[in-house]
This record gives sequence, C-alpha cells and structure tokens, in this order.
Amino acid sequence: EAQVTQNPRYLITVTGKKLTVTCSQNMNHEYMSWYRQDPGLGLRQIYYSMNVEVTDKGDVPEGYKVSRKEKRNFPLILESPSPNQTSLYFCASGASGDTQYFGPGTRLTVL
Amino acid sequence: GENVEQHPSTLSVQEGDSAVIKCTYSDSASNYFPWYKQELGKGPQLIIDIRSNVGEKKDQRIAVTLNKTAKHFSLHITETQPEDSAVYFCAEGDGGATNKLIFGTGTLLAVQP
Repeated sequence: EAQVTQNPRYLITVTGKKLTVTCSQNMNHEYMSWYRQDPGLGLRQIYYSMNVEVTDKGDVPEGYKVSRKEKRNFPLILESPSPNQTSLYFCASGASGDTQYFGPGTRLTVL
Repeated sequence: GENVEQHPSTLSVQEGDSAVIKCTYSDSASNYFPWYKQELGKGPQLIIDIRSNVGEKKDQRIAVTLNKTAKHFSLHITETQPEDSAVYFCAEGDGGATNKLIFGTGTLLAVQP
C-alpha cells in the first residue's frame, strides 16, 4: 500500500529534551516536506526537500532541523524543544506536479 | 507575500444540500490549486485539484471552479452526506517548480442528518 508513515503518533516531552520525528514514504517520491498545523493558522511549511541531500527552509523553520540521507526518509529534529512547538505535525511526499500525500500526523506536546 | 484566504471558517448544511467553500489567492504565478479533506485524527487527503489551464473540474459530487482573472477558486459539494463532514483546505502552488503549497486556514463542514 502506498503511504507516508510517521512515528511516533503522539509524544509528550519536556523543554530542552532533543527529539526526532521520523517520516518514511514508499512511493519513490523525490519531494518531501514537513508542516505544522495550528488552530486558525492552517498548515504551515517547516522544511522541504527536493531530493536526497537537498533541503531548504519553509515558512516557519526556526527551532527545527531536517536531513535527507535516503530518498524514503525525512526525519524532523527538534534539538531543544520549547512549548511554542507544541503542535500537530504532518509529513508529506510527492512526485513532480505538486500532488502531495500526507502522513497521519504526530501530535507533540512540549511541557 | 503569498497568501490564501478561505471562507467560511465553519459551514453547517442539511444532508442533501450543497456546500460551497471559496478561496482567494494573491500570487499571479500560481497555477495549481488542490483541495484537501481532513477527517478527525487523520492527515489531509487530496480530493480534487485543478490547474490554471482549466476553468472547472468535476468528480462525482465534487467540483472545483477557477477564476484566474479574479484570483479565486471554489469547491462545490452537491448532495452532501454526513460522511462529508470534515475540515477542508484549499491550497495554491506554482505548478511543480518547487512543489511548494500555500494553504488556506480551513473550513469545518458539518453535514446535519
């Protein structure tokens, strides 16, 4: 089944404790992206990657890092999480032409 | 800067009625306009999209219209059913150059049985 998977689905952590949210796709897509979803703000792009070893900032990159060592994986790293990063996070992937497929989401709470 | 305005933020209709959600964009270079449906606890799913060389596209009970001159596009759902209840997001994109999408703020559609 073609899909985007994220782990974990739910995470509660404390300020300053480094964490990684994994994202994997099995559709051989070149493009991958991370979004955060907050009430009243819709989906905002954090980082994206056009291909392996190619990453770039989205609209809200502060406090986040990403890497793209393999085509299928695109982890999101929070080196020192803060409460304002409490949010619902989505990974997405797509081929050329803009259609993007989203993962099921990761709900992160930073205390 | 790039911006997508989406209205209304909430919409309640009776089962069987039609629902219309409207979006306005600012970037004249945009030429790809997808609509996503997000059910509770799930990620957004693409339901229909349209490109700038087309004015209207239909898929069963769902249709999207695009007016490039006025920079707005709309989602039309006919014969609504309770399972249509969800949050709907519009988005605009540049047609593949960067795959970047700018999303609207979402519309919560409630279909009352």
